[in-house]
Amino acid sequence: KAGVTQTPRYLIKTRGQQVTLSCSPISGHRSVSWYQQTPGQGLQFLFEYFSETQRNKGNFPGRFSGRQFSNSRSEMNVSTLELGDSALYLCASSQTTRTLSGGYTFGSGTRLTVV
Amino acid sequence: AQSVTQLDSQVPVFEEAPVELRCNYSSSVSVYLFWYVQYPNQGLQLLLKYLSGSTLVESINGFEAEFNKSQTSFHLRKPSVHISDTAEYFCAALSFGNEKLTFGTGTRLTIIP
Repeated sequence: KAGVTQTPRYLIKTRGQQVTLSCSPISGHRSVSWYQQTPGQGLQFLFEYFSETQRNKGNFPGRFSGRQFSNSRSEMNVSTLELGDSALYLCASSQTTRTLSGGYTFGSGTRLTVV
Repeated sequence: AQSVTQLDSQVPVFEEAPVELRCNYSSSVSVYLFWYVQYPNQGLQLLLKYLSGSTLVESINGFEAEFNKSQTSFHLRKPSVHISDTAEYFCAALSFGNEKLTFGTGTRLTIIP
């Protein structure tokens, strides 16, 4: 069974640009969450999607957005990139809306560097 | 609101010695608790979880954690560590009905040969 796949693995962008990151969850998993990991702030929740609907949102500015497709694949977009957006972006998928199925499975992440 | 505190940012341990990584949580409702491990340049891997039932949970690679409701703790332990255990360990909590994981700041475990 394939794991959670995130593409690309590494990305370098310039300030002011926008970026789109992709996440393919484990087959059958309908919940997809996104987290930002930085040395200073640690792991912070961005948003969670279930059946193409955003169910939870963290405390990030509107420049951060996401969506989920009918096949459960998800994308997140960051517009007008700032240096502080440099981070490892992690995607996690879950089989159901609750964690009783075994918790979240994380991808290897996309490391975004903004220069 | 819930929060997770990992009291030690770094823990150096000699190989084959025991280790305990501490985690405390606060929440006004029942929570599920997790330990994740992150190896360099990789994502998070679920190490073990407490959902309900027995308060002592074990992983396949020798780690165990005990849920202590009165002390609001979920400390991670291993009786004998190996070089391969070198990684960052994250404690996380999730409130029933809320799909958002709240993470601690992580503990970097360094094994000294």
